[in-house]
Parts: sequence; C-alpha cells; structure tokens
Amino acid sequence: SQQGEEDPQALSIQEGENATMNCSYKTSINNLQWYRQNSGRGLVHLILIRSNEREKHSGRLRVTLDTSKKSSSLLITASRAADTASYFCATDHDYKLSFGAGTTVTVRA
Amino acid sequence: GAGVSQSPRYKVAKRGQDVALRCDPISGHVSLFWYQQALGQGPEFLTYFQNEAQLDKSGLPSDRFFAERPEGSVSTLKIQRTQQEDSAVYLCASSPGRVVGVYEQYFGPGTRLTVT
Repeated sequence: SQQGEEDPQALSIQEGENATMNCSYKTSINNLQWYRQNSGRGLVHLILIRSNEREKHSGRLRVTLDTSKKSSSLLITASRAADTASYFCATDHDYKLSFGAGTTVTVRA
Repeated sequence: GAGVSQSPRYKVAKRGQDVALRCDPISGHVSLFWYQQALGQGPEFLTYFQNEAQLDKSGLPSDRFFAERPEGSVSTLKIQRTQQEDSAVYLCASSPGRVVGVYEQYFGPGTRLTVT
C-alpha cells in the first residue's frame, strides 16, 4: 500500500512559471524524499528532508515539511521543458520507502 | 561512474512462464531493494537485502516471487508461473549505507515485464 499521496495528479504550466505540488502521508517518518521519473532517466533522487527540518533548497527546488500536518510541498521555480516528468514523494520508516502515485508535470514551451 | 543496471530492459513472457530479472547495484553499496511499479502508480516495495542477507521480503506479492543476492552484489528477482497481474516495471535500487533513510536510493532503469 502507498502511504504518500501527491496533489495534484497532473499539472501543466508554461515554461518559466513555478510548479508546486503537495504530498500528504499517514504515519510518522524519519525523512521524506522527492524523486523525479521520466522515460529518459528513470527514477532520480532530487532532495531529502529530515523530519526535524522545515525547509530545504537545492538549486531551483524548494521543499517544505510540516510534520504536524503530515505534509510536504515541492516547488520548482522557473520551470524548463526538461522538468517535464512525474514527481514522487517517498516517506521512509525504518528502511522502506513508500511512494505516492505521483504528480505528472508538463512544461509547455 | 556506473549506476545501477538492470537486465533485460524489456521482457515479454507467456502466462505460466518463469522469468529472472537481474540487478547490478553500484559497487560497494550495502543495501539493495526491489520495487514493483504498476502503470500510473508509484513504486511499491518488494524486498530488501543488506549485503547477502534478505532482511525483509514482506512486499513480495506471492510465493511465486523469489529474490536472492548470494554474494552481496548482483541480485536476481525470479517470478515463477507468471500471471497477467505481474505485468509491471520492476525497479532495483541500491544505497551505500546500512541505515537507509539517511541515504538516498539510486535506481536502475527498470525491467518492463509484460505477461501475455
């Protein structure tokens, strides 16, 4: 069963715009990770945020974590065509990663 | 450097056939995982190895699924008497540490299995 749920399921934006997607989960976690998957490069790790962190940045990515609400958000700024992909949040409890169903992002040129 | 590799990339099997999927993790990575990803869904955990020891196989959907990592490096996921519901992408991932969650997982390209 999948613990995380991403919202929205799909997102279409213009190149240069920001894209925001959310993830909600059910049980306590050690860390939360975001992954990207496209047909060219498979599933690639983007960023890991620990349960005691509230916000983290990596390049054009900004992740927030609210453990009281059991939710996280991923913001991609100044989107590019190459950002077109599916984005998954993954929570870990012990050693297992539990993925959501993902948000499909399409960046239009 | 070399990432996680998987073979074959695509496999078509007739219902009832046995299949074997191979994973070559990143050299030196202690932890190895198998996931199953159905169309339009996120990956679902199947099993976890720490070196050669299979520490968790709770995600394997039935006793037709079997995984091994005999020398603590290459792993094989075997599916016996394949069924149509086994059609999915099978992903392998490796991680350098023993305490997963502190480390990211590095995924291979996956094997797309189609059972006809």
